[in-house]
Amino acid sequence: GENVEQHPSTLSVQEGDSAVIKCTYSDSASNYFPWYKQELGKRPQLIIDIRSNVGEKKDQRIAVTLNKTAKHFSLHITETQPEDSAVYFCAFGAGSYQLTFGKGTKLSVIP
Amino acid sequence: EAQVTQNPRYLITVTGKKLTVTCSQNMNHEYMSWYRQDPGLGLRQIYYSMNVEVTDKGDVPEGYKVSRKEKRNFPLILESPSPNQTSLYFCASSLPPSPNRGDEQYFGPGTRLTVT
Repeated sequence: GENVEQHPSTLSVQEGDSAVIKCTYSDSASNYFPWYKQELGKRPQLIIDIRSNVGEKKDQRIAVTLNKTAKHFSLHITETQPEDSAVYFCAFGAGSYQLTFGKGTKLSVIP
Repeated sequence: EAQVTQNPRYLITVTGKKLTVTCSQNMNHEYMSWYRQDPGLGLRQIYYSMNVEVTDKGDVPEGYKVSRKEKRNFPLILESPSPNQTSLYFCASSLPPSPNRGDEQYFGPGTRLTVT
């Protein structure tokens, strides 16, 4: 099946610094790349997504970049805050109904 | 309130005893999915459905069954549960992909299943 490599598995940053999480995927036909945030004991929630016809998308402090040639995409969080602490998952697929998820990155923002 | 609901939220059962986890959504979504989440493995898709009576296997379908007789419901059936199916299960729903709007998938609250 399809797979995705997500790095790093854990990430600690000081409050106010930036955090970057990277994913490399296997299926060049994929055209949908979402990022989900999961707080402890909660369900995953979509924070940002990008389609293959777009190279970058930004929403306030969060941005996603996509390099289809290299088959990797990244999540960028700027000016991190303690409430950004969570597990982040990348995913890819034909659409939100059929996704392959990364194994997750546990982000800790240290006040 | 737009939501995806799952029942039960917690279940402890024994090997071989058939069980069903229900999932229901009130957003009129065509697409529904089941995932299992295990530590260090992320979320893995079990089955998905693109509409009533249309289901397909995800990455880890072995040992599971689903049905989609109504648009709003998508139950997950474990005919003969085994300990390796101990996991956290999430149901999710979404609309068909569209370039004109977001493609958000809404997750239910999760069902924690333990098979002894």
